[in-house]
Amino acid sequence: GNSVTQMEGPVTLSEEAFLTINCTYTATGYPSLFWYVQYPGEGLQLLLKATKADDKGSNKGFEATYRKETTSFHLEKGSVQVSDSAVYFCALSSGQGGKLIFGQGTELSVKP
Amino acid sequence: GAGVSQTPSNKVTEKGKYVELRCDPISGHTALYWYRQSLGQGPEFLIYFQGTGAADDSGLPNDRFFAVRPEGSVSTLKIQRTERGDSAVYLCASSVDGTRREQFFGPGTRLTVL
Repeated sequence: GNSVTQMEGPVTLSEEAFLTINCTYTATGYPSLFWYVQYPGEGLQLLLKATKADDKGSNKGFEATYRKETTSFHLEKGSVQVSDSAVYFCALSSGQGGKLIFGQGTELSVKP
Repeated sequence: GAGVSQTPSNKVTEKGKYVELRCDPISGHTALYWYRQSLGQGPEFLIYFQGTGAADDSGLPNDRFFAVRPEGSVSTLKIQRTERGDSAVYLCASSVDGTRREQFFGPGTRLTVL
């Protein structure tokens, strides 16, 4: 069945460091891929998405490229800020209905 | 406009009791989803409604769980004979339609079964 695997956290970085959070997936067909973010005390929010191979999603300085050959959708940011501290979830949607299948989440903590 | 709302925000109940969790989706959204998130895990799909009908209930763990959306707007997730393992945050999301568009999530209901 479909599944998503993320790198385990927590990830602790200093402000302005480079961020990569790895995400790989297993899916039949051609899924859409998403990154959702959950800030402390808030609900899940869509961060970015890509709907087909080689698409790059980007938002708030974050980027992720849909790589079909490696079944990956790694999240990157060139310079993290303290305000980026949150839990990040990679997810896929495949088939009718658009239900999301999430990875286990990666907690990011950015220190000043 | 208003986002997805869920009530109650917290629910504490005793093992064996019945609970109802309510979701108010964004107005005009025809697709509604329920997910369950256990501590330290990603959300797990439970059920998807397109309009009034449950189009996919493959994620419901057993027959103690049931959900309705009688008028195609508000949805209620019902759990009978609650067990301690049902303790989790129950999330509701809605989207414009049942395609792969963005899902907007509510704040969740934290259910604790003692």
